[in-house]
Amino acid sequence: AQSVTQPDIHITVSEGASLELRCNYSYGATPYLFWYVQSPGQGLQLLLKYFSGDTLVQGIKGFEAEFKRSQSSFNLRKPSVHWSDAAEYFCAVGEYGNKLVFGAGTILRVKS
Amino acid sequence: GAVVSQHPSRVICKSGTSVKIECRSLDFQATTMFWYRQFPKKSLMLMATSNEGSKATYEQGVEKDKFLINHASLTLSTLTVTSAHPEDSSFYICSARDSGPGGGYTFGSGTRLTVV
Repeated sequence: AQSVTQPDIHITVSEGASLELRCNYSYGATPYLFWYVQSPGQGLQLLLKYFSGDTLVQGIKGFEAEFKRSQSSFNLRKPSVHWSDAAEYFCAVGEYGNKLVFGAGTILRVKS
Repeated sequence: GAVVSQHPSRVICKSGTSVKIECRSLDFQATTMFWYRQFPKKSLMLMATSNEGSKATYEQGVEKDKFLINHASLTLSTLTVTSAHPEDSSFYICSARDSGPGGGYTFGSGTRLTVV
């Protein structure tokens, strides 16, 4: 069965500092991987996705993620965090066209 | 890009009444939509997969008779919470699969349901 682990429930970083949010997955085949961001009381916005090809994926808002098959990881990174990045981030895995399985989410706090 | 409209964004209803939530794909056709429920400070839990023109597929533990799903057209899926109780209070989010090139999953903005 598919599963996603986001080991960090909360992360606090200073504005301007770099960010890495961890995501590990369990999936039997080649996974489709996603990162979404959710602001309080809002829906989910897609940051980036990986289907195949280059393992370093560029997304919106300056985010990127790297697929590492050997580590079953798909960590999200940003070189310089802005206060507006404070939100909850979800990693998800799925078979294309079918349901997604979400991680528990990581709440990002940005301190000035 | 693909847009999914979900409404209402917030609804308060009395116990025992029914509430309908709509999910529309605005600029694409969605043969498949997904309904999720999100508890406070929790992740999204898939409730059911809605397929246009056929019965929805419910996840284990989700009551089919309580959470009625209808996907009557390629752009509209509805979730009706029947005989709502306070424990049904939650944040419900729909998602549609965009079948376009490089398509993924687009989410609605969610519905905050409060049953009093």
